[in-house]
Amino acid sequence: EAGVAQSPRYKIIEKRQSVAFWCNPISGHATLYWYQQILGQGPKLLIQFQNNGVVDDSQLPKDRFSAERLKGVDSTLKIQPAKLEDSAVYLCASSLLGLFNEQFFGPGTRLTVL
Amino acid sequence: QKEVEQDPGPLSVPEGAIVSLNCTYSNSAFQYFMWYRQYSRKGPELLMYTYSSGNKEDGRFTAQVDKSSKYISLFIRDSQPSDSATYLCAIEGGSEKLVFGKGTKLTVNP
Repeated sequence: EAGVAQSPRYKIIEKRQSVAFWCNPISGHATLYWYQQILGQGPKLLIQFQNNGVVDDSQLPKDRFSAERLKGVDSTLKIQPAKLEDSAVYLCASSLLGLFNEQFFGPGTRLTVL
Repeated sequence: QKEVEQDPGPLSVPEGAIVSLNCTYSNSAFQYFMWYRQYSRKGPELLMYTYSSGNKEDGRFTAQVDKSSKYISLFIRDSQPSDSATYLCAIEGGSEKLVFGKGTKLTVNP
């Protein structure tokens, strides 16, 4: 079974530029998550989708971050414009729908903002 | 007070040692308690999860939950160099939302 795919793996941009990350979840997983993991910290949930609807985006900085999950499968996360403090690993995870289901994580995209 | 507190370490032990990793949490409504392992440059992977107070064992790993003290632990017996990773505690806070600790970086020296 293929895991969660993410691209690109690494990205370096200047502050105020824009960047986009892509995630392809495990086939059949209805729930998709985007996390931000700053160096030395645990992952922090940015947004949670169930199929193509948003369940929780309370910690998403909506003035600069946006995310979509068209057709309930792939998802993109965009930052526009980027700030220095956005340097982090952006992790995508997916899970089956249900009371408790394991979240499977992708390898992440390491973003460096200069 | 943060929802989940975890000592970030780092922790360095010799091969074969018993390792104890701990987290505390603040919200008594939390129901599921998990330990994730994250190797360098990889995403976290679920190691163990528990629902109730008590112990759960899986090979060399034991997860322990004390809901009365809001305290969770992970014990690793006979630690191996391949156990070197960052260990993240995570707690399910409702609606399948996970709240993670900072992670403890463990190095097992051969």
